[in-house]
Amino acid sequence: QSVLTQPPSASGTPGQMVTISCSGSSSSIGSNPVHWYQQLPGTAPKLLIYSNNQRPSGVPDRFSGSKSGTSASLAISGLQSEDEADYYCAAWDDSLSAWVFGGGTKLTGL
Amino acid sequence: QVQMVESGGGVAQPGRSLRLSCAASGFTFSSHGMHWVRQAPGKGLEWVAVMWYDGYNEYYADSVKGRFSISRDNSRDTLYLQMDSLRAEDTAVYYCARAKGGGDPNDGFDVWGQGTMVTVSS
Repeated sequence: QSVLTQPPSASGTPGQMVTISCSGSSSSIGSNPVHWYQQLPGTAPKLLIYSNNQRPSGVPDRFSGSKSGTSASLAISGLQSEDEADYYCAAWDDSLSAWVFGGGTKLTGL
Repeated sequence: QVQMVESGGGVAQPGRSLRLSCAASGFTFSSHGMHWVRQAPGKGLEWVAVMWYDGYNEYYADSVKGRFSISRDNSRDTLYLQMDSLRAEDTAVYYCARAKGGGDPNDGFDVWGQGTMVTVSS
């Protein structure tokens, strides 16, 4: 069982918006920034959002992140077929002195 | 270009050891924290260990603490993971990943290697 909780799946159709949630605790998300990763089938993960809501260069502005209290969300607008992937949230946990990942959300239906 | 290449994976018997390497290029290795992250077949990502840019701070997941050791050679731009007392549950693809900065919680993992497969089986 992961320290950060994500829904195992999400779905949408092209052009729609989908939101993926990530729930943690006061020692993880409540105290530290959240980062999001995209993993396309058969490839290494890629940094999608860092420090809650910052996009690395090259990441489309269709992807956005937010955080409130001990939860965070990744929003993907204008869904495209190439967005079908697994999405993971991650944060440092002060109590564990360790990085923790969510269990991952598989985005399908595109 | 910026890249990391892992090596050293393979098949090991339970209780034996393996040493993974991650050769970095295209950036100032000594300025970045470096992580190991693993992914068991069909499963999600699991963080394994981090060493900060200066080599003075290192942290481990509870699942590997006392068995795995992370190190780095900034003169060779190389990260290592010494894995001892291997167990079947250590079977996974092991990725090295670069911290966006020195390694603190503000830093996402912004560059990933292609991964190396470790299989622990008798």
